[in-house]
Order: sequence, then structure tokens, then C-alpha cells
Amino acid sequence: SAVISQKPSRDICQRGTSLTIQCQVDSQVTMMFWYRQQPGQSLTLIATANQGSEATYESGFVIDKFPISRPNLTFSTLTVSNMSPEDSSIYLCSVEEMVGQTQYFGPGTRLLVL
Amino acid sequence: DAKTTQPPSMDCAEGRAANLPCNHSTISGNEYVYWYRQIHSQGPQYIIHGLKNNETNEMASLIITEDRKSSTLILPHATLRDTAVYYCIVRVANTGTASKLTFGTGTRLQVTL
Repeated sequence: SAVISQKPSRDICQRGTSLTIQCQVDSQVTMMFWYRQQPGQSLTLIATANQGSEATYESGFVIDKFPISRPNLTFSTLTVSNMSPEDSSIYLCSVEEMVGQTQYFGPGTRLLVL
Repeated sequence: DAKTTQPPSMDCAEGRAANLPCNHSTISGNEYVYWYRQIHSQGPQYIIHGLKNNETNEMASLIITEDRKSSTLILPHATLRDTAVYYCIVRVANTGTASKLTFGTGTRLQVTL
């Protein structure tokens, strides 16, 4: 399976600021996704990162708050904009090498907003 | 995608088999059963998946009932490091079309000495 890394692994940020999280894969993958896991909760899909086009967002998530880039088949970024304490979560990147195959997850980025 | 039902928590003694049940009574014919686990806020780890036949790999075995309405994940010799939240998910796969992973609340497995 693909090896997935995320940067930063954790961060503490002030409200009103923005943080960009990077996801790097060691091989080309077709699909990349971003999830959020709020404290004590399960994972929720934020969006599908599409290479060369705008991301596809799930209900309740908007591009202005969570802009996503995917410049190539091995890299994606998620920005959490104008943060508030409610954005404190673990943000996870996942990939599928081919559409509809097994999805693998990165280690996550733990974000605390003060 | 079909919904799944799992017990919220289970205990297992170290060295014993851990049997984690999952109900998916509305599963469709082209939906696979996937299992992931999440160890203390790390990224979810893929364990195993299957369509209708029982599956085994180095981590676990997956037993799917003949009517496919339920399944059991078996960790044959649980260790303390298997303490985690285990998620059972059903999704369409291997069709070349995108299919989301929808995570429920899972089963929190506690392995004890």
C-alpha cells in the first residue's frame, strides 16, 4: 500500500488564523480525500481532492472555509481558514490508488485552536 | 451505502480470540464489507475486506454469513496493541466508480491482561 505522510503532525493556532496541512504520497494515486475527526467523534469526509480541478465538498463543508489543492497525483493540501476553537480536530488525508479500491489513511494532523 | 450496527464496546483477554460482530442487513449485492481500526487517534488502519467469501490475512479473519447480513472480524490471538476502535463499513468497490467510506461509531475493543 501507499505510504502517506502529513505535515504538520500537530499544531496549536490562534483563532482567526489559517493553517495549511500537506499530504504527500510515495506513489501516484487516483483519489485523495480529506476527513475531519472532532474530539470523541468518528471520521467525517470533508471533500474529495480532484487533480486539476476544484475539490468536491460534502454537505456542510465549503471551499471558503476549507480550500483544497491537488496539483499532481502525489500531493494535496487542505487549508483550515479563519479558525475558531470549533475547528480543533484531527485532520486526515486518505488515498485510493485506483478508483473504488481500498482506501489508506495518513497519520493525521492534530489541530488545537485557542 | 448500507448502514452498519456494531456494539459500542467489548473486552477481550490477551491471548484469546477477539470476535467483533457487525450487522449490515441492508447490504446490496455489490457492496463489500471493510474493516478498519483506529488506535488512539492515529490514522485508521485498513484490516481486511470481503464480498461473500470468508477472508484471512496476517492481521485477521473475516467471516461473512451466507445471507451477507452480518459479519464477524476475528483477531485470533489478541494482544494489548490490538486495543483500538474497530470500524465495520460497507461500500461498493472495484467497479471503477467512486464510493465513499462512511464511518459509524465503531466498537471500542479493550484487550486486558
